[in-house]
Amino acid sequence: GAVVSQHPSWVICKSGTSVKIECRSLDFQATTMFWYRQFPKQSLMLMATSNEGSKATYEQGVEKDKFLINHASLTLSTLTVTSAHPEDSSFYICSARGMLNEKLFFGSGTQLSVL
Amino acid sequence: EDQVTQSPEALRLQEGESSSLNCSYTVSGLRGLFWYRQDPGKGPEFLFTLYSAGEEKEKERLKATLTKKESFLHITAPKPEDSATYLCAVQGNTGGFKTIFGAGTRLFVKA
Repeated sequence: GAVVSQHPSWVICKSGTSVKIECRSLDFQATTMFWYRQFPKQSLMLMATSNEGSKATYEQGVEKDKFLINHASLTLSTLTVTSAHPEDSSFYICSARGMLNEKLFFGSGTQLSVL
Repeated sequence: EDQVTQSPEALRLQEGESSSLNCSYTVSGLRGLFWYRQDPGKGPEFLFTLYSAGEEKEKERLKATLTKKESFLHITAPKPEDSATYLCAVQGNTGGFKTIFGAGTRLFVKA
């Protein structure tokens, strides 16, 4: 199956700093990438949808100025958590969808801990 | 609004004890229903896509079925390595083809 690489796997940062998470599709071109957030023992909550070369579409309640998404190429999307606070601590997962497929391929996730 | 409800929340089985996980859904124009497996601290791993009622897919000890209102993931003679959270998701024709996930069923298989 298709491979999606997500980095870093985990990050610990101080409150007020910014953190960037990268998501790459390694063997296919991802026209659309999605960013999810997951709390322990809960399901994936869609944060935003990004299409290559255009602005991301954010879900209701997600602050676009706090969670900056860039999808500059067909193989790379980044999520930057700006001025992170402890309540932003969570597991963030990216996924990618190719041009012909409905199904999503997921990255391995990033565990963010804000102290 | 598209919705996915999974039951039970958690399921504990003995090795070899077959069972089924349920996924009830409402969606505007089903494009696909997906099953994923998620291990702790990892991203979901794709298992199956089902497109229309009556369709069935099989992979090793897992079999997924689909009706117009729900999907079942049947696990035959499970092994401890099948322990994981199983997520069901749907994609409809509206909302930019977003994929909506259920809360998952946490499966524990004891040797």
